[in-house]
Amino acid sequence: GAVVSQHPSWVICKSGTSVKIECRSLDFQATTMFWYRQFPKQSLMLMATSNEGSKATYEQGVEKDKFLINHASLTLSTLTVTSAHPEDSSFYICSARGTQGNSYYGYTFGSGTRLTVV
Amino acid sequence: AQSVAQPEDQVNVAEGNPLTVKCTYSVSGNPYLFWYVQYPNRGLQFLLKYITGDNLVKGSYGFEAEFNKSQTSFHLKKPSALVSDSALYFCAVRATYNQGGKLIFGQGTELSVKP
Repeated sequence: GAVVSQHPSWVICKSGTSVKIECRSLDFQATTMFWYRQFPKQSLMLMATSNEGSKATYEQGVEKDKFLINHASLTLSTLTVTSAHPEDSSFYICSARGTQGNSYYGYTFGSGTRLTVV
Repeated sequence: AQSVAQPEDQVNVAEGNPLTVKCTYSVSGNPYLFWYVQYPNRGLQFLLKYITGDNLVKGSYGFEAEFNKSQTSFHLKKPSALVSDSALYFCAVRATYNQGGKLIFGQGTELSVKP
């Protein structure tokens, strides 16, 4: 089945530094990647949608200069939290959608990244 | 506007009893509906989906869901709950293509199964 590998699983960084989170589709080509943010025991909030080779489309209220998304290849998308602050601490999850041969893979989620900014 | 509602923040069930986690939706056109489960500090695991066809959908780990168009519901069910089913459950609907086909999630229901 489809697998999306997300890492790191958890990261602690100092306020003001940048953190990069990677999501890789291991056995299919991810034409679309979705990035979500989740607060404890709450639902997933979509931050942005990226299609391979295109600029990401950000949801209303999400700062695109703060949350940089790159989807330069069909198997890799990255989310960079720039100049992180404690309020950016959260659980970030990616989800990929794509194909491999004649098979379609929809909405496969990574395992998430717990970001703590101190 | 498209939306998903999970009216119960928490559902408590005794092990061995049947469980139901409720979900209602609001979409234009035919809905694509999904159920996911999330364990602490983990991503979402796919349980099942409804695209078209039989209203009763069978999924992973013994779960099933019934699509009811007249009631705009897609409740998740399992005949006999296990303690290991305790987790956070999300219902989701796929937005229309012109909205990028993103998933719109309900607020989640925490399922607690006691021995």
